[in-house]
Amino acid sequence: QKEVEQDPGPLSVPEGAIVSLNCTYSNSAFQYFMWYRQYSRKGPELLMYTYSSGNKEDGRFTAQVDKSSKYISLFIRDSQPSDSATYLCAFKAAGNKLTFGGGTRVLVKP
Amino acid sequence: GAVVSQHPSWVICKSGTSVKIECRSLDFQATTMFWYRQFPKQSLMLMATSNEGSKATYEQGVEKDKFLINHASLTLSTLTVTSAHPEDSSFYICSARLAGASYNEQFFGPGTRLTVL
Repeated sequence: QKEVEQDPGPLSVPEGAIVSLNCTYSNSAFQYFMWYRQYSRKGPELLMYTYSSGNKEDGRFTAQVDKSSKYISLFIRDSQPSDSATYLCAFKAAGNKLTFGGGTRVLVKP
Repeated sequence: GAVVSQHPSWVICKSGTSVKIECRSLDFQATTMFWYRQFPKQSLMLMATSNEGSKATYEQGVEKDKFLINHASLTLSTLTVTSAHPEDSSFYICSARLAGASYNEQFFGPGTRLTVL
């Protein structure tokens, strides 16, 4: 079983729709939960991070963590064509190492 | 703030040659830098963790003699791919850890695309 599972997509939505992304994980030692956005041929940029179960909202982005189910989600409201990118979930246990999901490619059509 | 740069952004080299990639933290000091490799349509895989002034720690399966890492200052780490072969062609991304952040946030560089002919 992979440590992190993430659907590769592509996920295609019309502009203004809600984008729903998720990852499952198996490592109970993960303490921090992150979402990164990566545009083509660019490095990842951090969108959201959290360390507890529940919801965290930042503008159009909402991150959700369910530690009991080992499941995290990212919701993007009022999606824009500029949101078209690959979204990576990432996890961190104690220490510095980040473990990434495979990424979900999102396409928001105008 | 917290900008990380990489140089070059892309490089093409002949098989058997060595290539050096630089990673710089432009506006902060980074005691720890990380090197990742990303193959097309795949996720980032950590290659090694580099601490300023000490030897890098390599992940399992990464050849330390092939991927030489030097972290000589708090703002610069270099990755040298020695005797590069076509299978080393990949997107190499560095990140720098912002010391003191509550969860040790890493800031990523824009990546270097290496093509070995």
